[in-house]
Amino acid sequence: EAEVAQSPRYKITEKSQAVAFWCDPISGHATLYWYRQILGQGPELLVQFQDESVVDDSQLPKDRFSAERLKGVDSTLKIQPAELGDSAMYLCASSPGGGLQETQYFGPGTRLLVL
Amino acid sequence: QKEVEQNSGPLSVPEGAIASLNCTYSDRGSQSFFWYRQYSGKSPELIMFIYSNGDKEDGRFTAQLNKASQYVSLLIRDSQPSDSATYLCAVNEIMDSNYQLIWGAGTKLIIKP
Repeated sequence: EAEVAQSPRYKITEKSQAVAFWCDPISGHATLYWYRQILGQGPELLVQFQDESVVDDSQLPKDRFSAERLKGVDSTLKIQPAELGDSAMYLCASSPGGGLQETQYFGPGTRLLVL
Repeated sequence: QKEVEQNSGPLSVPEGAIASLNCTYSDRGSQSFFWYRQYSGKSPELIMFIYSNGDKEDGRFTAQLNKASQYVSLLIRDSQPSDSATYLCAVNEIMDSNYQLIWGAGTKLIIKP
């Protein structure tokens, strides 16, 4: 069964360091989402890609976060510099085309701890 | 501001009983609704989706949608300890010409043996 891949699964870093997360969506899925989830809350959308284009990054803290999906397949989310408040689960999801009735499929997530 | 509301719980249900999880949403025009299950430390996984008013059954799970009252519910029959998890309700909304899921904060369900 096709799955969304993410790495690393866990990351511990010190504040002010740079961190990067990688996501490989289900083959053929044009839409890719990066979410941040804090314990006890629902996922918060950070950025949405349609193929290689960003279609929404309104909630992405652009002073420190960046995201790219250069060839419209896999994607990288970067934080530079990391802050204590960035400790959270970072989730990647994909869907075939981002339509109304499409299901989003999630990868295993990356748990980030900033010390 | 489009919102999805869920009772955070925890909801405690005896093993074998029916667990009932509820979700309300603010946008009367919403058309597609999803229930995800999330085990502690894991990522969300899809349980069910529903688009039409009424009930939709899949094994022990039944989703119920009432668009007039703007609520969607998930029933779990014959609850098992393995059903203990957080259940997230999500509503697909059009945001600046893109469809995005608006998420509730989740209801924590505990099934007691």
